[in-house]
Amino acid sequence: GQSLEQPSEVTAVEGAIVQINCTYQTSGFYGLSWYQQHDGGAPTFLSYNALDGLEETGRFSSFLSRSDSYGYLLLQELQMKDSASYFCAVKDTGRRALTFGSGTRLQVQP
Amino acid sequence: GAGVSQSPSNKVTEKGKDVELRCDPISGHTALYWYRQRLGQGLEFLIYFQGNSAPDKSGLPSDRFSAERTGESVSTLTIQRTQQEDSAVYLCASSLVAGQSVTDTQYFGPGTRLTVL
Repeated sequence: GQSLEQPSEVTAVEGAIVQINCTYQTSGFYGLSWYQQHDGGAPTFLSYNALDGLEETGRFSSFLSRSDSYGYLLLQELQMKDSASYFCAVKDTGRRALTFGSGTRLQVQP
Repeated sequence: GAGVSQSPSNKVTEKGKDVELRCDPISGHTALYWYRQRLGQGLEFLIYFQGNSAPDKSGLPSDRFSAERTGESVSTLTIQRTQQEDSAVYLCASSLVAGQSVTDTQYFGPGTRLTVL
């Protein structure tokens, strides 16, 4: 099976940089994804790392290290609208569906 | 076209009743997934469809839960004899294919909030 661990909550101020970590245990997987979910909303796809290294998409970057079973989401120039829950997810080699972490609630303060 | 849609958006039912939740995936998406999200928790996989067949039903919590998909489009998740622990948001997602690459990105609907009294 798979398990993913994330911090439950992170607080930061507008304009700052925040890193949300994700460690995982899985027997084999294709890659690590990140989703954002605002309260009452649907999860929306942010990024996907199939290979080790950094993927950058605007203010958001995501990193994966398969040897360390670790990844992170980096959010730069934080804005109030970034307040949301962020989930890491893996798709392992045994199934097509995603296994999600329990999510990190990010609160951006003025 | 439009994104994934789900109906109803909210459903309140009494314990023991049956409920049906509907999902309309993005047109052309062959893969469809159902997840459950309890308050403050992550998403829990229920079942996945590739076309009209369900290769993976491993997440269905009991035989009270079933799902079907017709015409490679609409899917219905049915919960029979609902229990209070079934209360959650039920999310549907679709993807173009069910592979391993970024083109397999799952797009989620807004969910159905089910409350069992």
